[in-house]
Amino acid sequence: DQQVKQNSPSLSVQEGRISILNCDYTNSMFDYFLWYKKYPAEGPTFLISISSIKDKNEDGRFTVFLNKSAKHLSLHIVPSQPGDSAVYFCAASKFNFGNEKLTFGTGTRLTIIP
Amino acid sequence: DAGVIQSPRHEVTEMGQEVTLRCKPISGHDYLFWYRQTMMRGLELLIYFNNNVPIDDSGMPEDRFSAKMPNASFSTLKIQPSEPRDSAVYFCASSYIKRTGAFGANVLTFGAGSRLTVL
Repeated sequence: DQQVKQNSPSLSVQEGRISILNCDYTNSMFDYFLWYKKYPAEGPTFLISISSIKDKNEDGRFTVFLNKSAKHLSLHIVPSQPGDSAVYFCAASKFNFGNEKLTFGTGTRLTIIP
Repeated sequence: DAGVIQSPRHEVTEMGQEVTLRCKPISGHDYLFWYRQTMMRGLELLIYFNNNVPIDDSGMPEDRFSAKMPNASFSTLKIQPSEPRDSAVYFCASSYIKRTGAFGANVLTFGAGSRLTVL
């Protein structure tokens, strides 16, 4: 049972335009969400996060939006740059002591076209 | 800090052989996670430890898989006997708890992964 879903395996965007990556979750208990970025032959690296009391968090070119009623979050990258080409993983958690795990989606491969 | 260190980076073995993957977490991190990456399931949690104690191993596929953390600076994931369907990239990650008000979450730092191919 995939509790975190990324339904687009891949996405291509022109350099300078906006990239929008989407993520859906089924577990309404999740209260913290993260995005990770992964380059080939490297481990995923933390990018940005948001807690469920917010609907938006911004960090430079990266903004994460959370729609709790739709159980949906998205990552916006503006403007997109060639170095943004990577696989992006969405992750979610419901933190409790004894339950500190992150549940990841299957990833979306983003390709920025120069 | 050298980050999370995994070895070997690549392992090619034959079906039935024992495979041991190793991980050195970041000093001071008290959580350690083993994930497996496949196309179908993405990043799949196998097991995680807190202060060297296994907390949740419900993701371990079957008895052929075992993991240990004998001390705070070392963990192993063992597959015995290995099968072709075990071929994947295995990631180790260590973490601390990030607190934002009433919320907490693990911010994982991943190693570079161990790519396993079982022929």
